[in-house]
Amino acid sequence: AQKITQTQPGMFVQEKEAVTLDCTYDTSDPSYGLFWYKQPSSGEMIFLIYQGSYDQQNATEGRYSLNFQKARKSANLVISASQLGDSAMYFCAMIRNTGFQKLVFGTGTRLLVSP
Amino acid sequence: EAQVTQNPRYLITVTGKKLTVTCSQNMNHEYMSWYRQDPGLGLRQIYYSMNVEVTDKGDVPEGYKVSRKEKRNFPLILESPSPNQTSLYFCASSLRSLLDEQYFGPGTRLTVT
Repeated sequence: AQKITQTQPGMFVQEKEAVTLDCTYDTSDPSYGLFWYKQPSSGEMIFLIYQGSYDQQNATEGRYSLNFQKARKSANLVISASQLGDSAMYFCAMIRNTGFQKLVFGTGTRLLVSP
Repeated sequence: EAQVTQNPRYLITVTGKKLTVTCSQNMNHEYMSWYRQDPGLGLRQIYYSMNVEVTDKGDVPEGYKVSRKEKRNFPLILESPSPNQTSLYFCASSLRSLLDEQYFGPGTRLTVT
């Protein structure tokens, strides 16, 4: 069964520094997709970045990049130049290869950015 | 403005009293989904729908029903709510599948006493 593991319940970083949020996954499917979502204290879920298992290059979206290491089954989110507004919960998620219709989430990492 | 709306945003109810949480999107999306979020468990998928009249179970469908009679609406029905269904619920939609970007509603916080 597919599973997402986020081992860091909380992370602290100073403003302007880079931070890596860990995500490992378990699947036997050759084709899958990985997402990162941000949930600020206001509660909404915000899509950040997507990586397909066959993508040759690591995904990037502005200050967000996904460090995809397929052999290690890890898909870590890297936030460069942290900002105070980055303080939030971050969730890693994986598409299950059942026609790409089911999504499984990790338990999340709370990031706190300090001035 | 492209959005997913949910109503109500907050609801306190009693065990056994049927309730419906509405979800509507204005983006002509085919795929819609319901999730519940519980502390320490992340989000778990309840049901999803690939198009009108096409629905299927997610990971935690017990105690819930859904319907998709119109493309824009995907209500979540709790026929007989129980306290273990106290949770934060999110509706989401995407163009055709999860390979397209998902847009989430603002969430509905449900308390069942």
